[in-house]
Amino acid sequence: DAGITQSPRHKVTETGTPVTLRCHQTENHRYMYWYRQDPGHGLRLIHYSYGVKDTDKGEVSDGYSVSRSKTEDFLLTLESATSSQTSVYFCAIRKANYGYTFGSGTRLTVV
Amino acid sequence: AQRVTQPEKLLSVFKGAPVELKCNYSYSGSPELFWYVQYSRQRLQLLLRHISRESIKGFTADLNKGETSFHLKKPFAQEEDSAMYYCALLNTGFQKLVFGTGTRLLVSP
Repeated sequence: DAGITQSPRHKVTETGTPVTLRCHQTENHRYMYWYRQDPGHGLRLIHYSYGVKDTDKGEVSDGYSVSRSKTEDFLLTLESATSSQTSVYFCAIRKANYGYTFGSGTRLTVV
Repeated sequence: AQRVTQPEKLLSVFKGAPVELKCNYSYSGSPELFWYVQYSRQRLQLLLRHISRESIKGFTADLNKGETSFHLKKPFAQEEDSAMYYCALLNTGFQKLVFGTGTRLLVSP
C-alpha cells in the first residue's frame, strides 16, 4: 500500500459537466499534487497544496480548481469539462527526503 | 525557468544490449534529479535519485553538472525493463517536481 488512493479509477463524462476527482492519503503528508499525463507531454502539474486550505497553481491550471479542507484529502474539480481535459490524472504526495509517491491514476474521458 | 528534456520518445533495443536514456536539464539552482518508471498502465515508481547514488534493478545515473545531464544507464537490458521512463527535476524553492516528456524503452527478445 503506497498510502495514497485515487477515486474514481475511470470516468466518462459529457462536455460541459463538472467533475471532481479525489485523492486520499493515510500518512499525514503536508504536500500533495495533481498532475495530468498526456502522450508527448509527460506529466504536467495542474495544482498543488502545501497544507490545509493552502494551494497554488501549476503550469496547466486553467479550467481546474482544487480544494483541501483536511490534510488527507485533495480534490481536483474540472469546472466544465472539455474534450481537451481527456487525460490520465495522477495525484502525488511528497514524503521525507523529497520522495514522491504517486497514486494509481484516474483515466478521464470527456465525450 | 527549470526544464527537463528527454530527446528520445522511443528507444528500442535487444535483450542484453546496453541502454542509455538521455536526460538534460536547465535549472539555476542546485539540482535534485530523479528517474521514475511507469510499467504498463501502472503508477509511477521512483527508480533513482541522484543524491542517493544507488543502483536499482541494474540502472545507474550520474549527475553531470558541466553537461547538465542525468542520463540513465544499464549495461544489459532485460525484457522486463520495457516501460516508460521519466526524468524529473525538483524545484526546491516551490517544492514542485518538473518532468520530462518521457522515453518509452522497448526491449525485444
